[in-house]
Amino acid sequence: QQQVRQSPQSLTVWEGETAILNCSYEDSTFDYFPWYWQFPRESPALLIAIRPVSNKKEDGRFTIFFNKREKKLSLHITDSQPGDSATYFCAVNTGGLSGKLTFGEGTQVTVIS
Amino acid sequence: NSKVIQTPRYLVKGQGQKAKMRCIPEKGHPVVFWYQQNKNNEFKFLINFQNQEVLQQIDMTEKRFSAECPSNSPCSLEIQSSEAGDSALYLCASSLQGANTEVFFGKGTRLTVV
Repeated sequence: QQQVRQSPQSLTVWEGETAILNCSYEDSTFDYFPWYWQFPRESPALLIAIRPVSNKKEDGRFTIFFNKREKKLSLHITDSQPGDSATYFCAVNTGGLSGKLTFGEGTQVTVIS
Repeated sequence: NSKVIQTPRYLVKGQGQKAKMRCIPEKGHPVVFWYQQNKNNEFKFLINFQNQEVLQQIDMTEKRFSAECPSNSPCSLEIQSSEAGDSALYLCASSLQGANTEVFFGKGTRLTVV
């Protein structure tokens, strides 16, 4: 059972546009949703995270919108820059206190100038 | 920047050989994770520890994978008898506590089984 799903698989946007990445999850008890980004030949790094007490989390040009009822969230990258080109992973804490993260399949974002 | 140190960065093994990789978590982080990332970028959680104790692990019934985090020594992940399907990037990560905190990843050990 795929606990975390992402779409689209890949996304190309022009510099300055808004990129929208989608994520959905299975279990309504999940309570921590980090997004990681990974550049080629690099390890993943935390970009931004949200907990269900909020329906929006903003950090600069990156915003998470969270819909608990539909078990969906999205990452918006406004004013996209070529340096944002990376693979973005939605993750969910599926391990409770152990902190085990389950990752989605990733969305490869390419920003062209 | 992550201060999780993984060695070696690259590892090439023949089928049936042992493969061992090590990880030094960020100082002060008691929780250590191991993930496998395959060529399709899919992550697979393997095991995590708090100090020396296992918190959670996948069913390693194949018994080919083993891991430990001894006190005052690097953590390690070992594959007893490597198979071609084990070729992947093995990522070690650490955090201050298990749940709902930032997890910092090391640069990984890329294992190729030939």
